[in-house]
Amino acid sequence: IAGITQAPTSQILAAGRRMTLRCTQDMRHNAMYWYRQDLGLGLRLIHYSNTAGTTGKGEVPDGYSVSRANTDDFPLTLASAVPSQTSVYFCASSDLGLAGGLYFGPGTRLTVL
Amino acid sequence: QKEVEQNSGPLSVPEGAIASLNCTYSDRVSQSFFWYRQYSGKSPELIMSIYSNGDKEDGRFTAQLNKASQYVSLLIRDSQPSDSATYLCAVSYNNNDMRFGAGTRLTVKP
Repeated sequence: IAGITQAPTSQILAAGRRMTLRCTQDMRHNAMYWYRQDLGLGLRLIHYSNTAGTTGKGEVPDGYSVSRANTDDFPLTLASAVPSQTSVYFCASSDLGLAGGLYFGPGTRLTVL
Repeated sequence: QKEVEQNSGPLSVPEGAIASLNCTYSDRVSQSFFWYRQYSGKSPELIMSIYSNGDKEDGRFTAQLNKASQYVSLLIRDSQPSDSATYLCAVSYNNNDMRFGAGTRLTVKP
């Protein structure tokens, strides 16, 4: 593994289903983030984690939850998917907090029908 | 309300020309400023960061920051077709809050 990996690459999901997007980094970065990207709206922060064991809410957290059991993994869960959660989801990490900029994973394209 | 605004474009320049990308932000307590490049279907890639007023140069890229005017720009000299991408401006307000503009799509024509 080099950098950040995300799985799945893409997914079509029925509304009401539960879904977990996986994110793993091998850079030993303390901080990790989940963003969604929608056309015309740019990237919006969903949840973040400054270090293992801590999480916080971003700009658009409703309908999503995260956990940070260790440094490397930061899964994002949609408890009951809705069509408005159709988006491209990017996991990102940083070694200096946001002051150093973000490294992004390849993204997960999620379609909720 | 913290907002980062960019002209969505598309901005089209001929190969070898200077491309100028602009960004304004609405909150004065911003700390750090970034430009990301995003190719179609790919993830954003950090290309420039700037923290204080003035210019910062890195190869063909120059970032300019004017905090009084709440304005950030990116100049790309000697533009190449491989520079064709969407450029995202980002502003961090604290260690947990980075806001992105919607991006400017740049096309460099051979």
